[in-house]
Amino acid sequence: SAVISQKPSRDICQRGTSLTIQCQVDSQVTMMFWYRQQPGQSLTLIATANQGSEATYESGFVIDKFPISRPNLTFSTLTVSNMSPEDSSIYLCSVESVSKAQYFGPGTRLTVL
Amino acid sequence: KQEVTQIPAALSVPEGENLVLNCSFTDSAIYNLQWFRQDPGKGLTSLLLIQSSQREQTSGRLNASLDKSSGRSTLYIAASQPGDSATYLCAVRPGADSNYQLIWGAGTKLIIKP
Repeated sequence: SAVISQKPSRDICQRGTSLTIQCQVDSQVTMMFWYRQQPGQSLTLIATANQGSEATYESGFVIDKFPISRPNLTFSTLTVSNMSPEDSSIYLCSVESVSKAQYFGPGTRLTVL
Repeated sequence: KQEVTQIPAALSVPEGENLVLNCSFTDSAIYNLQWFRQDPGKGLTSLLLIQSSQREQTSGRLNASLDKSSGRSTLYIAASQPGDSATYLCAVRPGADSNYQLIWGAGTKLIIKP
């Protein structure tokens, strides 16, 4: 299975600011995803990060709020823009293996004041 | 529309007991099913992946079974330990195509009492 790291592991931010979360994988992967997990809730897919093209966003998520970059097959960033307290969540990146299993990073715990 | 349900939502058992966590899904046409554990405030750790053609998978004290016809999967934990305390999530992948996304259960919060 792939080894996935995320930075930062947690952050406390002021409303109106932006935070960029980094995801690094130890091997080249085709499929990389960004999820959000709000307190006490299950996971919600934000978008699929596509290498060399714009991310594919799920219903309810837009590029202006959650811009995503994927410059190569091992790295992606998610930015949470113009944050409000409702954005307080755990943000997780994941990758998909050849066998269609998903593996997750350790998550970024975001608190917006 | 595929729906995934996990019962019970929470479970507390004494250390050393064997236990079973349940995951049910409404549409038997799945590609695979995956079990994860999540510690509080952390990411997800993949435990077991069962492909649609398989009946069970084992890893150490964990055994996951799959019965597509009845829309059920179980995760069996043998000789439970306090370190097994976590939330256990199951997720179903409806198809192999990249357009298919995981459908998640709400999880079972497991507490193992020393």
